[in-house]
This record gives sequence, C-alpha cells and structure tokens, in this order.
Amino acid sequence: DVKVTQSSRYLVKRTGEKVFLECVQDMDHENMFWYRQDPGLGLRLIYFSYDVKMKEKGDIPEGYSVSREKKERFSLILESASTNQTSMYLCASVDGSTDTQYFGPGTRLTVL
Amino acid sequence: AQRVTQPEKLLSVFKGAPVELKCNYSYSGSPELFWYVQYSRQRLQLLLRHISRESIKGFTADLNKGETSFHLKKPFAQEEDSAMYYCALTPGGSYIPTFGRGTSLIVHP
Repeated sequence: DVKVTQSSRYLVKRTGEKVFLECVQDMDHENMFWYRQDPGLGLRLIYFSYDVKMKEKGDIPEGYSVSREKKERFSLILESASTNQTSMYLCASVDGSTDTQYFGPGTRLTVL
Repeated sequence: AQRVTQPEKLLSVFKGAPVELKCNYSYSGSPELFWYVQYSRQRLQLLLRHISRESIKGFTADLNKGETSFHLKKPFAQEEDSAMYYCALTPGGSYIPTFGRGTSLIVHP
C-alpha cells in the first residue's frame, strides 16, 4: 500500500514568510508532483520531479521552488508567501508502470 | 496541448437514480484516462483507469474515441458516492497528467 505523507495538514503563515512543505513517499517512485487545489479550478500542476535533483516547471510555477535531494522526499518552497498562495497543496507520487498518481492528504495553507 | 473538460461543477441526484459524470477531452494521440475521487476529509484517490476496464464501487467508464469522451456512470447512486470527482488524461508516452476542474456529486437520501 503506497504511502504518501505531507508534513502538515494545516499551516498558517504571514505574508513574506518563507514556507516549506514536505512530502515523503515510501514506494520508491521516481516521479513526484506538487499541485494546488482550488475550488472551481481543479488541480493545477506547480512543479514535478522525475529523479533526484531533477525538476521541471508545471503550469503555475511562479512564486514557488522545489527541492529533491532524496528520492523519497520532494519539498515545495514558497520563497515569500503571499495571500494569493492561500490554497490546498497536494503532493503525489506516480507509479511508473500504470501512470497512477498516489496523493498525500494535503496541506491547507493560509497566508495572512 | 491536451485539455480535459468536466462541464458540470455540481451534479445533484437522489439515491437510487442513475448518475453520469461527463468528461470530454481534446488530444490527438492515444491517451490514458483516469477518474479520481475525493471523499469528504479523505485524500484524492484513483477510482478507475480506462485501460483496466474494471468496475469499481459500481462505477464504469468507457472511452469513446469518436466523441473524445470518458464519462463515468453508475446505474444506482448511493449516498456514500457523494464526493468530488476528477477526470484526468495522461498523453501516450508521458506520465504528466492534465486534470479536469472536477464535478461535485451530491446524492440525496
């Protein structure tokens, strides 16, 4: 059973703060993703990684960066949080043989 | 670029009624299509993949390449089916999906 965990379920930060969201998977998947989920907009891809230290921008990378130092861990960084980054953030890892995405429980981030 | 459209934001039915959640896509190649579901206070999870042609929790979905659709159907809705449903497409040879905006299904008792 694939386990994808995220460091926090709820997070409240102030404008301008640096925010780290961590995601860990235990299935040795090579591909990992960060999305934000907003009502009416669905899931939008922020960044993805296909290997350690490898990353690619998704559809909405502005204001975000990522880090993948180990295969099992993929971090999303908000360099200077802004109120429009208030959202639900979902991490996923992908089974390369089926292209099935396995999601973490999500982090609801509020930026005040 | 591929696109996935779920035309209904909200679908409201009564228990026992048939339900169909629509998904249309635009992609010129051979896609892989998925339905994901998110129940209240649970994580997003796979419901079914078109390639496996299976029925999960009574739901089925048929890929119609002519109409470029992958509608999700269930003959008799149950209250526990109330959830947010997302259709997703992965282009052939890629693992990067495109998601629709989701349809919220509410099944009334």
